[in-house]
Amino acid sequence: SQQGEEDPQALSIQEGENATMNCSYKTSINNLQWYRQNSGRGLVHLILIRSNEREKHSGRLRVTLDTSKKSSSLLITASRAADTASYFCATMGTGGFKTIFGAGTRLFVKA
Amino acid sequence: DTEVTQTPKHLVMGMTNKKSLKCEQHMGHRAMYWYKQKAKKPPELMFVYSYEKLSINESVPSRFSPECPNSSLLNLHLHALQPEDSALYLCASSLPLGGGEAFFGQGTRLTVV
Repeated sequence: SQQGEEDPQALSIQEGENATMNCSYKTSINNLQWYRQNSGRGLVHLILIRSNEREKHSGRLRVTLDTSKKSSSLLITASRAADTASYFCATMGTGGFKTIFGAGTRLFVKA
Repeated sequence: DTEVTQTPKHLVMGMTNKKSLKCEQHMGHRAMYWYKQKAKKPPELMFVYSYEKLSINESVPSRFSPECPNSSLLNLHLHALQPEDSALYLCASSLPLGGGEAFFGQGTRLTVV
């Protein structure tokens, strides 16, 4: 069963704008990860944030984690057409290495 | 080498066929996973292997049979599949015990006819 829910389901923006995606989950986690998937192919790992971290940056990506609200957000700044993809959050439970994916957000960046 | 390699990329099989999907990694990861992904849906966990032993089976039908012959290889044996089993099958690997990110292969696009 999937425990993550993502919001919005789809997002359409202009190139240069920022994109924000949100993820909520239900149980305690060890870490939360964000992945990108292009055209139904393999997933590319973007960033991992551990349960004791609140914010993390990687290039144009900024991830926040609020364990009290069981939620995370992914911000992509200065978006590009090449950022068009599906974005998934994935949580790893405290029990080990079972990574469960959220429903995903489909991002469209118009040139 | 940070790649997970899956073969074949595409597979069409009849409902009476037996086929296998293969996955290989050389990153020294001791946790390996099979996921199933239907169109416009998130990946769903099927199996987890840790140190070559099956750790998690997410109530997957027995027509899917995983195998981990060594620390670098993971197979998924398919037999008597149904058309609804058509999907993208993704393999992933990671350090065990919650060590971090999972690396995914490009997947095998399976069509059951």
